[in-house]
Amino acid sequence: DVKVTQSSRYLVKRTGEKVFLECVQDMDHENMFWYRQDPGLGLRLIYFSYDVKMKEKGDIPEGYSVSREKKERFSLILESASTNQTSMYLCASGAGGAFNEQFFGPGTRLTVL
Amino acid sequence: GESVGLHLPTLSVQEGDNSIINCAYSNSASDYFIWYKQESGKGPQFIIDIRSNMDKRQGQRVTVLLNKTVKHLSLQIAATQPGDSAVYFCAVLSPFGNEKLTFGTGTRLTIIP
Repeated sequence: DVKVTQSSRYLVKRTGEKVFLECVQDMDHENMFWYRQDPGLGLRLIYFSYDVKMKEKGDIPEGYSVSREKKERFSLILESASTNQTSMYLCASGAGGAFNEQFFGPGTRLTVL
Repeated sequence: GESVGLHLPTLSVQEGDNSIINCAYSNSASDYFIWYKQESGKGPQFIIDIRSNMDKRQGQRVTVLLNKTVKHLSLQIAATQPGDSAVYFCAVLSPFGNEKLTFGTGTRLTIIP
């Protein structure tokens, strides 16, 4: 079974803090994704990556950056957290190519005070 | 781009009955569709997928129907059980070859005992 793990289930930070959300997958997948999930808005793509050291902006990249130094790990960075970044953050991975399904981690619920 | 909409935000079904969850998409060039299930406190879990060269695909107690003419897909769950209570999302793969999924906002299915 594919396993996608996220470093924290719950996180509370203060406005202006730098926040790191870590994601690790164990299936040697090429593609990794970061989404945020908000009530009534569904899942929205923040950033994704096709390969190590590669990144692409998703639909809502503002206020976020990412890092992919190793194939299995994809980090989401909030340089200066703001209250409107309070949300559920979901990481996903996928093999890509003919295999388009994405496998999700359990999510990190981030609260910015 | 692509937009994805679900017809009902909530649905209540008696245990043992069948349920149907609907989804509409906007881009007629879209060719891959996924249904996900998200239980409380968990990340979305893959249920079933379908490509545009098919109209119907069946899994265990689930069937996905695709109507490309009206750009509509549905998820049918047979003989619903309490464990089927969850939020269900459809996701549509971008037809532009960039591996991006666009998600609907979800339907919360409640199974009434």
